[in-house]
Amino acid sequence: ETGVTQTPRHLVMGMTNKKSLKCEQHLGHNAMYWYKQSAKKPLELMFVYSLEERVENNSVPSRFSPECPNSSHLFLHLHTLQPEDSALYLCASSPQAGWDQPQHFGDGTRLSIL
Amino acid sequence: QKEVEQNSGPLSVPEGAIASLNCTYSDRGSQSFFWYRQYSGKSPELIMFIYSNGDKEDGRFTAQLNKASQYVSLLIRDSQPSDSATYLCAASGGGADGLTFGKGTHLIIQP
Repeated sequence: ETGVTQTPRHLVMGMTNKKSLKCEQHLGHNAMYWYKQSAKKPLELMFVYSLEERVENNSVPSRFSPECPNSSHLFLHLHTLQPEDSALYLCASSPQAGWDQPQHFGDGTRLSIL
Repeated sequence: QKEVEQNSGPLSVPEGAIASLNCTYSDRGSQSFFWYRQYSGKSPELIMFIYSNGDKEDGRFTAQLNKASQYVSLLIRDSQPSDSATYLCAASGGGADGLTFGKGTHLIIQP
């Protein structure tokens, strides 16, 4: 198993659909993150979880809803998305949450909104 | 607003030469800095991180940090065609926040 696994790898959905992105890490880390990567823009931090508790929410619209049932799993629930939400969604993990912790990324989910 | 700035490139370097990638950051509270390599269609891969002023070497890679100038760089010695990728600079401040990324520099190593 690779360190951080994301499913699905590709997702196409309509604006009225509900779907979820899944992330699983096998590194024994305690912090997990969601990032959004759009063309021509830097990676944008969306959410930070430390020991299953959300510690940061970077003004993300409520149509994105994260869930962290345990330190190995992270979900991003999607509802009523907009075309501008089409992007690569990356999950990352680190040993702890904190400024000195290197983050390891999964391969991402490529999301397309019709 | 925390910002990390990188020249988007492309930066073209002959094979075997030294590639120099630069990054500046706006938040003086930033304490740690990370370099990631991202191949087209792939996820970012951690190359190096640096916390202290000065140089840090790891194989062909050297990271340099100057907090007074708010400047970070990555040197790649003996550049190989396989080093061709987008290099992302990221900064992290105090507290349990995530990383602030630059847009990345597209590096091309010419055989």
